[in-house]
Amino acid sequence: GQSLEQPSEVTAVEGAIVQINCTYQTSGFYGLSWYQQHDGGAPTFLSYNGLDGLEETGRFSSFLSRSDSYGYLLLQELQMKDSASYFCAVSLLIYNQGGKLIFGQGTELSVKP
Amino acid sequence: EAGVTQFPSHSVIEKGQTVTLRCDPISGHDNLYWYRRVMGKEIKFLLHFVKESKQDESGMPNNRFLAERTGGTYSTLKVQPAELEDSGVYFCASSQYTSGSRTAPGQFFGPGTRLTVL
Repeated sequence: GQSLEQPSEVTAVEGAIVQINCTYQTSGFYGLSWYQQHDGGAPTFLSYNGLDGLEETGRFSSFLSRSDSYGYLLLQELQMKDSASYFCAVSLLIYNQGGKLIFGQGTELSVKP
Repeated sequence: EAGVTQFPSHSVIEKGQTVTLRCDPISGHDNLYWYRRVMGKEIKFLLHFVKESKQDESGMPNNRFLAERTGGTYSTLKVQPAELEDSGVYFCASSQYTSGSRTAPGQFFGPGTRLTVL
């Protein structure tokens, strides 16, 4: 089967840096994405790693190590509005199943003043 | 550019009834996906359309669920008859690029339809 593990919740203070880890066990791995969801609304795409290494987008960075089946999302200069659920999601490399995303259960991030 | 829209936003029905959910993807997006999040659990894939064709329906739970995408534009997901375990939030997502069996990253999600089956 396919499975992704991420912490259920993380708490940090405004201005701090937080890292949300994701480990995965999937067949036919193609890439790792991160999504943000506020209050159960539409998940919003944050970043994608298809190759090993770090991708940076403003205050958000994402890292992937395919040999370790591991990735993380790094959020810097935390703001109150960053309080949300964060999901890692794997894209598979399986013929005719290359479009779907396999999601982790989500990490609830609480940013305190 | 308008985002992905879904209708209705909420639906409360009784067990055994039928419900039809609608998704309008971003204009020009060939790929359309349906996902579902049951309370407290992960977002799970249901189905993937490329234009009007079903590319992957490996996540459809059973034959009470029927998805269509007539003309390759909007899509509907019908649940008939609904059961208690069908309750959850149904998300639709779309993306533009496709190449063979793989698509570019970054799916755009709609706000979801919250379905409650009593």
